[in-house]
Amino acid sequence: DIQMTQSPSSLSASLGDRVTITCRASQSISTSLNWYQQRPGKAPKLLIYATSTLQNGVPSRFSGSGSGTDFTLTISSLQPDDFATYYCLQTYSARTFGHGTKVEVK
Amino acid sequence: QVQLVQSGAEVMKPGASLKVSCKASGYTFTGFYIHWVRQAPGQGLEWVGWINPNSGGTNSAQKFQGRVTVTRDTSISTAYMELSRLSSDDTAIYYCARGMAVGTAVDYMDVWGKGTTVTVSS
Repeated sequence: DIQMTQSPSSLSASLGDRVTITCRASQSISTSLNWYQQRPGKAPKLLIYATSTLQNGVPSRFSGSGSGTDFTLTISSLQPDDFATYYCLQTYSARTFGHGTKVEVK
Repeated sequence: QVQLVQSGAEVMKPGASLKVSCKASGYTFTGFYIHWVRQAPGQGLEWVGWINPNSGGTNSAQKFQGRVTVTRDTSISTAYMELSRLSSDDTAIYYCARGMAVGTAVDYMDVWGKGTTVTVSS
């Protein structure tokens, strides 16, 4: 099975900060990588698929990049709605989620 | 609108089998994969398996193979996940999610059910 290592596991940031979350795959997954946001008590929400394609309705402050084994989710200017937990998901072989990154208020 | 409606919360005994349903509406059920994902209390997301509602083909995570069965009833646009030999480690919220369109290559889970809370306790 492909393993996904996500970092950091948590971070503290302020409104307007630029935030970067990374995921590393245990083997090449091409660009088969999605990002999800989950707020407490809610189902996950798709943000980005195929590494860099923004899902309809997702603000443009979210962006994704990478290929092969290393991937990044960037929030260009943190907004109040963005304090949540973020997960990467590889879709190259079976499916594996990263362990999540909790974005908290500094 | 596109939605997935899941069955209600369950309390199960260790060793029992669980069956959760996921009813799709607002789109062609056989046109999109359905995934099952679970989340233990305070933990991250864990992929369980998927079904192609058109063909009935399935796949599941290695750790669940032999214990999970994913099925569907196309006549009522409903997918099911059955998990056997339950233990307390299976206590979690179980989500269904719509996956990629059948026959396409770009994969994501874009519509999620609200989740079914499952508690395994003696």
